[in-house]
Amino acid sequence: DVKVTQSSRYLVKRTGEKVFLECVQDMDHENMFWYRQDPGLGLRLIYFSYDVKMKEKGDIPEGYSVSREKKERFSLILESASTNQTSMYLCASSQGAAIQPQHFGDGTRLSIL
Amino acid sequence: SQQGEEDPQALSIQEGENATMNCSYKTSINNLQWYRQNSGRGLVHLILIRSNEREKHSGRLRVTLDTSKKSSSLLITASRAADTASYFCATDSNDYKLSFGAGTTVTVRA
Repeated sequence: DVKVTQSSRYLVKRTGEKVFLECVQDMDHENMFWYRQDPGLGLRLIYFSYDVKMKEKGDIPEGYSVSREKKERFSLILESASTNQTSMYLCASSQGAAIQPQHFGDGTRLSIL
Repeated sequence: SQQGEEDPQALSIQEGENATMNCSYKTSINNLQWYRQNSGRGLVHLILIRSNEREKHSGRLRVTLDTSKKSSSLLITASRAADTASYFCATDSNDYKLSFGAGTTVTVRA
């Protein structure tokens, strides 16, 4: 069965810290995505990657960066965490074109104090 | 940018009733997908409808698509407590990305 694993379910960090969120998929998928989910706003795409070492900005990339050194792993980095980055972060993967379903992890609820 | 908008934002129904939610979008699409999210979990893909299809069924789910009105509906028949969740539509208009709406929260009362 398809599995996307996010390293932490809950994370509390301080303003100004560098924060790493990790995501691993076991399906050999080409595409991986990072979203943030906020009440009333749905899912907003931060970054995605369609191949190893490739990345593209989504709709809200400011304050974030990503790393994809291996096909199965996609990391989201908050360079200098701020309180407005408190949110639920969801990782997803898919194979091929956008018609293919995305498979999601269970999310990381990140609080920045 | 967000493409889809679900309506209503929230829906409360009795077990056994049908639940209908709608999704409207702004620009032309290739396909439209519906996802479910249970509380505290990630999204799970439910069904896909292509732009040249008008209706699709999967078990108790029925999806319609009207490209002239840029809208889709998801009907869940004979609802169960386990259908309590948030439901999202997602559209794709380019190669890799999906654009999600804000979701409809469905509560099924026993």
